[in-house]
Amino acid sequence: AQKITQTQPGMFVQEKEAVTLDCTYDTSDPSYGLFWYKQPSSGEMIFLIYQGSYDQQNATEGRYSLNFQKARKSANLVISASQLGDSAMYFCAMRASDDYKLSFGAGTTVTVRA
Amino acid sequence: NAGVMQNPRHLVRRRGQEARLRCSPMKGHSHVYWYRQLPEEGLKFMVYLQKENIIDESGMPKERFSAEFPKEGPSILRIQQVVRGDSAAYFCASSLGGLEGDEQFFGPGTRLTVL
Repeated sequence: AQKITQTQPGMFVQEKEAVTLDCTYDTSDPSYGLFWYKQPSSGEMIFLIYQGSYDQQNATEGRYSLNFQKARKSANLVISASQLGDSAMYFCAMRASDDYKLSFGAGTTVTVRA
Repeated sequence: NAGVMQNPRHLVRRRGQEARLRCSPMKGHSHVYWYRQLPEEGLKFMVYLQKENIIDESGMPKERFSAEFPKEGPSILRIQQVVRGDSAAYFCASSLGGLEGDEQFFGPGTRLTVL
């Protein structure tokens, strides 16, 4: 079984600053993938970034980067240069390599202030 | 190059009625997944289907819920005799295959409200 923990229910960040969203996970699978999704107030789920458990480098996608610390079982999302449009709920998710089910955390709400 | 489509986007039902949620996967995708998001929670897996087959329905309630993905047409999630606790957002995702690296693309969701 897999468990995803996001301990920050809500965060405020000033526009143009960076914000780090915490995600820890628990799994016995040797190979897995970690995902971050953004859910704006309109409700859709937008894929942001993916990290494979055997990837040597941390994943980056534009202003999003994933701080992957395998030994600590953490996969924190860093959003740099926050914009007002980044205000949304952010979900961390994982999937074992031999599985298809995504397991999601409870989410973190980010509010970007002008 | 349309993405995953779901309809309706919003659905209101009274207790005891039936709800039918539709999902059209991305072109070329034959794997469909349904997830449910209760208020203030993350998404929870319900069921995984391929064309004409239910592969895994371990996350689906045993009663009142059913899903299908026919050879032709969209995938349907059906909830019979809805209750207030069924109020949630229901997301469909599709992928090219069911393996690692096969990214699941999500639809916009259907928000079901049971009065």
